[in-house]
Amino acid sequence: GAGVSQTPSNKVTEKGKYVELRCDPISGHTALYWYRQSLGQGPEFLIYFQGTGAADDSGLPNDRFFAVRPEGSVSTLKIQRTERGDSAVYLCASSAAGQGGQYFGPGTRLTVT
Amino acid sequence: SQQGEEDPQALSIQEGENATMNCSYKTSINNLQWYRQNSGRGLVHLILIRSNEREKHSGRLRVTLDTSKKSSSLLITASRAADTASYFCAPQTSGSRLTFGEGTQLTVNP
Repeated sequence: GAGVSQTPSNKVTEKGKYVELRCDPISGHTALYWYRQSLGQGPEFLIYFQGTGAADDSGLPNDRFFAVRPEGSVSTLKIQRTERGDSAVYLCASSAAGQGGQYFGPGTRLTVT
Repeated sequence: SQQGEEDPQALSIQEGENATMNCSYKTSINNLQWYRQNSGRGLVHLILIRSNEREKHSGRLRVTLDTSKKSSSLLITASRAADTASYFCAPQTSGSRLTFGEGTQLTVNP
């Protein structure tokens, strides 16, 4: 596709459940980023991939959060034992290189009840 | 923190007027980027200004950068109702992460 896509667009889950959020970056972009955004706040960095490897995962809040990008394209953000505080919009972005403008997807709105 | 901090938090103007938003940051940067966000979903990259540039234009957008004051401004000229959105600045250092502030909510009234 022409842009970054994310699925699902909305996800409602119960506290304690496991969720997976998917990101399809722009074809050919080697850099992929995950951010999350709470209402009224700016996006908060979670993790950055360069190719298949996580180059910077210092933004992951705790070990319940994990992300993979096994073939250097699609990425999955995985959240175990979800908590109500995990409710947010999860944004994915990609770029052709590690520096420069990032192209964002529409986000996945996660609601933990 | 390399977080960009936008000012003002909210700005309301009439269509046709100019809108100016400011950004301050704390440490040395490679570049500074401005993004727009409509309705709390995906961000759109507007413009990037490198640390060795002082001014950049793109259509109705004008960005300035003063590295001595660690500040940047975004000017939108001849604003339109469709410019209503949140605007974020994002300083970028040698790493790749972008660190956003809380943004400026711009409302352009028809």
